[in-house]
Amino acid sequence: DAGVTQSPTHLIKTRGQHVTLRCSPISGHKSVSWYQQVLGQGPQFIFQYYEKEERGRGNFPDRFSARQFPNYSSELNVNALLLGDSALYLCASSAGTPRLLEQYFGPGTRLTVT
Amino acid sequence: QKEVEQNSGPLSVPEGAIASLNCTYSDRVSQSFFWYRQYSGKSPELIMSIYSNGDKEDGRFTAQLNKASQYVSLLIRDSQPSDSATYLCAVRVLTGGGNKLTFGTGTQLKVEL
Repeated sequence: DAGVTQSPTHLIKTRGQHVTLRCSPISGHKSVSWYQQVLGQGPQFIFQYYEKEERGRGNFPDRFSARQFPNYSSELNVNALLLGDSALYLCASSAGTPRLLEQYFGPGTRLTVT
Repeated sequence: QKEVEQNSGPLSVPEGAIASLNCTYSDRVSQSFFWYRQYSGKSPELIMSIYSNGDKEDGRFTAQLNKASQYVSLLIRDSQPSDSATYLCAVRVLTGGGNKLTFGTGTQLKVEL
C-alpha cells in the first residue's frame, strides 16, 4: 500500500501570496493532521480532520485553513504569506479510531517565502 | 515549562553500544506516547508507540514509560551508524479534543564507528 503522499514537494512563494498544499492519507485512514516544522524544532500541530470535520486546531492565525474531502484527502491553505511561514509542512495520516492512534507522516512540503 | 522536553544533544555513542534517549512531559493526563526518527531533510518516521507503564520492545528498540514520573525513554541496542538521526518524542494531548501530538525539539543521536 502507498504511504501518505503530499504535493508539491517544494514551493517558493513571495510574501503576501497564497499557497495550497495537498495530502492523501494511507488507504483506509480517515484522519489527517497538519503540522508545521521549522528548522531545529519539533513539528507543531496546525489542524486535525476526521470524517471531513475539524477535530482540533493549534495555535495558528486565521490565515491558516484546511479542509478534508469525501475521499479523505486534505488541503492546507495559507493566505497572506509571511517570511515566518517558511517551514516544512507535514501531513500525518491515522486510522482515527480510539485504539489506533499512531500517526504516519508524509514526505512533507518545503515552503520557502521570499 | 515546555510541554515535552528533550535534551537536544548531540548524544554520541560508539557503534554497538546502547543509546538512551529521554523525554519528560508536563501534562499528567497524557496517555499516548510516540517516538519518531527523523533523518536530516526527511520527514519523521514512527518507530515506537507506548500506552501503558513499563517496557515495550520491538527489535533493537525498547520504549519505557513511567507515568508517575512523567518520563518516557527510548533505548537503542547495538547502535548502528544508520541510527544517526534526530529522535522526536511525541505525546498525545487530550485537552481540546482531537488527535493532537505535541513534540519535543528532538535529540540528535550520532553513532560513531
